[in-house]
Amino acid sequence: DGGITQSPKYLFRKEGQNVTLSCEQNLNHDAMYWYRQDPGQGLRLIYYSQIVNDFQKGDIAEGYSVSREKKESFPLTVTSAQKNPTAFYLCASSKPGHFATNEKLFFGSGTQLSVL
Amino acid sequence: DQQVKQNSPSLSVQEGRISILNCDYTNSMFDYFLWYKKYPAEGPTFLISISSIKDKNEDGRFTVFLNKSAKHLSLHIVPSQPGDSAVYFCAADNTDKLIFGTGTRLQVFP
Repeated sequence: DGGITQSPKYLFRKEGQNVTLSCEQNLNHDAMYWYRQDPGQGLRLIYYSQIVNDFQKGDIAEGYSVSREKKESFPLTVTSAQKNPTAFYLCASSKPGHFATNEKLFFGSGTQLSVL
Repeated sequence: DQQVKQNSPSLSVQEGRISILNCDYTNSMFDYFLWYKKYPAEGPTFLISISSIKDKNEDGRFTVFLNKSAKHLSLHIVPSQPGDSAVYFCAADNTDKLIFGTGTRLQVFP
């Protein structure tokens, strides 16, 4: 079955530690996205990538880094510079371009990151 | 600045009645809008969308209305069912990414 796989489901970060959240898709989508969900703040875009080896900052990129070495994979690293990392992280993918003319944004099941 | 706003954080509706979820936007260049439904600890799933060339789009129990002059859209669920209890996000197409609202938690009680 095609879909988006995020791992792990739950992740704990110690003070000063970098952690990496995995996102893999087999939908053959060119575009991939990372969103963060906080209570009362909806979904905020962290980073997105329209094509391999290229990515752009979203609205809240500080303290995060990404890579896009393969079409299927878009890992997110939460660095020690991110002072408030506790949140629910969602990865998504789509065909590139206008959402009215292509498939909608498809989401993974999320990773809950907590700080120890 | 929040370009897509959902001013009601929560809504409680009795089963069988109508649920109306509202969304406002500030950018008149937005021309395509989507609604997503999200259960706890899961990713959002696409529900329904509308293009700015229309003022209404219907899919079963779900209807989305768009008022371009007011920069306002609403999602109507009729009749509401307990399984509709979830967080609903509206989103605007900003060319290469979606901008989401803050979400409205809908609770449908028996």
